[in-house]
Amino acid sequence: GAGVSQSPSNKVTEKGKDVELRCDPISGHTALYWYRQSLGQGLEFLIYFQGNSAPDKSGLPSDRFSAERTGGSVSTLTIQRTQQEDSAVYLCASTMEGPGETQYFGPGTRLLVL
Amino acid sequence: DAKTTQPPSMDCAEGRAANLPCNHSTISGNEYVYWYRQIHSQGPQYIIHGLKNNETNEMASLIITEDRKSSTLILPHATLRDTAVYYCIVNQNQGGKLIFGQGTELSVKP
Repeated sequence: GAGVSQSPSNKVTEKGKDVELRCDPISGHTALYWYRQSLGQGLEFLIYFQGNSAPDKSGLPSDRFSAERTGGSVSTLTIQRTQQEDSAVYLCASTMEGPGETQYFGPGTRLLVL
Repeated sequence: DAKTTQPPSMDCAEGRAANLPCNHSTISGNEYVYWYRQIHSQGPQYIIHGLKNNETNEMASLIITEDRKSSTLILPHATLRDTAVYYCIVNQNQGGKLIFGQGTELSVKP
């Protein structure tokens, strides 16, 4: 079946602009995660949605970052007033609940802030 | 911070077994050991996970020491396409974020 998809695959924006990144999880997966990976770095957790529970926002680096998940499916990560240090690959993952679950990652959105 | 330590890089000859070590000396009783890999310019890919027993699937084998303080991922016959960064992660397997360290960059050479 279809995996996790993300759009756009690449985004170039100017400093100060807002951007929206989209994630379509695997159908039926109830948990969704956002991570980012700066050049040459490991993955950094941003935010986690699980069912109808309040999201875990503990990884968001500043209040310019926000995310929502509508209808328990598609998620949008929004970065307001982008800065050059926001340049990174933004990765989304989804998972089923329950024992033995694993996170399945999308291909990522490569964001470049000029 | 990541709860695992891995060598930053390893080389392996094509067709040979690649053995990637991981130390997780502070692992708690309900935490699983997960392995993911990330091929250049792609999202991470799940490989295998285990709790106490050794595990094997079509991709790899996972050997966990009896005290659970370390583990080894084995790719039995490495190919050039196995060149990637391999991440060892401990997680409670009840949802929640994965904490990635720097991983091991495996280079499979012809």
